[in-house]
Amino acid sequence: KAGVTQTPRYLIKTRGQQVTLSCSPISGHRSVSWYQQTPGQGLQFLFEYFSETQRNKGNFPGRFSGRQFSNSRSEMNVSTLELGDSALYLCASSLEGHVTYEQYFGPGTRLTVT
Amino acid sequence: KQEVTQIPAALSVPEGENLVLNCSFTDSAIYNLQWFRQDPGKGLTSLLLIQSSQREQTSGRLNASLDKSSGRSTLYIAASQPGDSATYLCAVAPRGADGLTFGKGTHLIIQP
Repeated sequence: KAGVTQTPRYLIKTRGQQVTLSCSPISGHRSVSWYQQTPGQGLQFLFEYFSETQRNKGNFPGRFSGRQFSNSRSEMNVSTLELGDSALYLCASSLEGHVTYEQYFGPGTRLTVT
Repeated sequence: KQEVTQIPAALSVPEGENLVLNCSFTDSAIYNLQWFRQDPGKGLTSLLLIQSSQREQTSGRLNASLDKSSGRSTLYIAASQPGDSATYLCAVAPRGADGLTFGKGTHLIIQP
């Protein structure tokens, strides 16, 4: 069974631009969560989607948004990029929409904002 | 607010040694605790998941224990190998909260 895939793997953007990242979960998994990883803050939860609905949201500004499609694939959008948004963005999928289930992570998208 | 601490932050040991990584959390109201491995610039690989009702889980040379009442977990690695070099992260799934809460990780180097 294929793992979690994320595209693109690397991105370079300029301040003020917007970006869209994509995540395809493991086949049969219905929950997708997004995390931001930076050297200073470590891994922080962004949001979780289950059955096309956002179930939970972390403490991030409204510039960070996402959505989930009927095939469980998810996209994350960051508008008006700031230098501090440079990070590794990881998505995780799980069987059901709850953190009680094991989370499987993708390889991440490395975003650099210049 | 749940906080997760991992000690030590870095560890370097010769190949073949048995070692223990520590993880502590402040709120015992958790669903489970998960140990991950992260190689440089890569995503996370799940190693072990311990449900709150369990005391330990084993996979090959890895053994993880959970003492929920004291807010502690340990990851035991037997007969370490250079390929075990990575950052090890523990994460708890807090009840009533959003997403996993991660520690900052232990950067492990196994010297050949």
